[in-house]
Amino acid sequence: QITLKESGPTLVKPKQTLTLTCTFSGFSLSSSGVGVGWIRQPPGKALEWLALIYWDDDKRYSPSLKSRLTITKDTSKNEVVLTMTNMDPVDIGTYYCARRVPTAHQPWFDPWGQGTLVTVSS
Amino acid sequence: NFMLTQPHSVSESPGKTVTISCTGSSGSLANNYVQWYQQRPGSAPTTVIYEDNQRPSGVPDRFSGSVDSSSTSASLIISGLKTEDEADYYCQSYDGSNVLFGGGTKLTVL
Repeated sequence: QITLKESGPTLVKPKQTLTLTCTFSGFSLSSSGVGVGWIRQPPGKALEWLALIYWDDDKRYSPSLKSRLTITKDTSKNEVVLTMTNMDPVDIGTYYCARRVPTAHQPWFDPWGQGTLVTVSS
Repeated sequence: NFMLTQPHSVSESPGKTVTISCTGSSGSLANNYVQWYQQRPGSAPTTVIYEDNQRPSGVPDRFSGSVDSSSTSASLIISGLKTEDEADYYCQSYDGSNVLFGGGTKLTVL
């Protein structure tokens, strides 16, 4: 059974850096084709892709947020970490991590974690 | 920038068939697979269609996907609607570098 779970602060102050951890089980991020992505969703709004890291450490970022994002992996711990700098109230939302399906020709995600709600406020 | 456009909302009665569209801004989805995710309130998205028209195990065959012959839009078709199908539906694709999601469609079954 594949599971992912997001963890991190529920509240950050404006201009602070957000660090979220995705802890997963049931697959290895050292296996060919595997990846883990981050997607967020402001309250009542659409999903927005943020970043994706592959088994070979290839990293992809949303062009609109690239300057603020860093994604890293720790294969031994089965963890993927996303940092987002200079947090603003517009960054409020639920942040999901999800597995990039390894057999896919192009990236898609399944399953997803339960998500973690992040609020930005002083 | 490549974008995916969906209708904001659709509604239909139980037992009927509904189609949700997803249109690519660049005009062509020919080289890009489309996935569809279902998101019920308070829950994470789950996959109902992948790679245009493939259904994951466990998803009822009432759910199907297609891409039109000109490859400008994709569709999610749900037949025999049930009240449990009421949810938000998102299409997702890839432009060679970036993952993209549509704006989502709220399906109301009434």
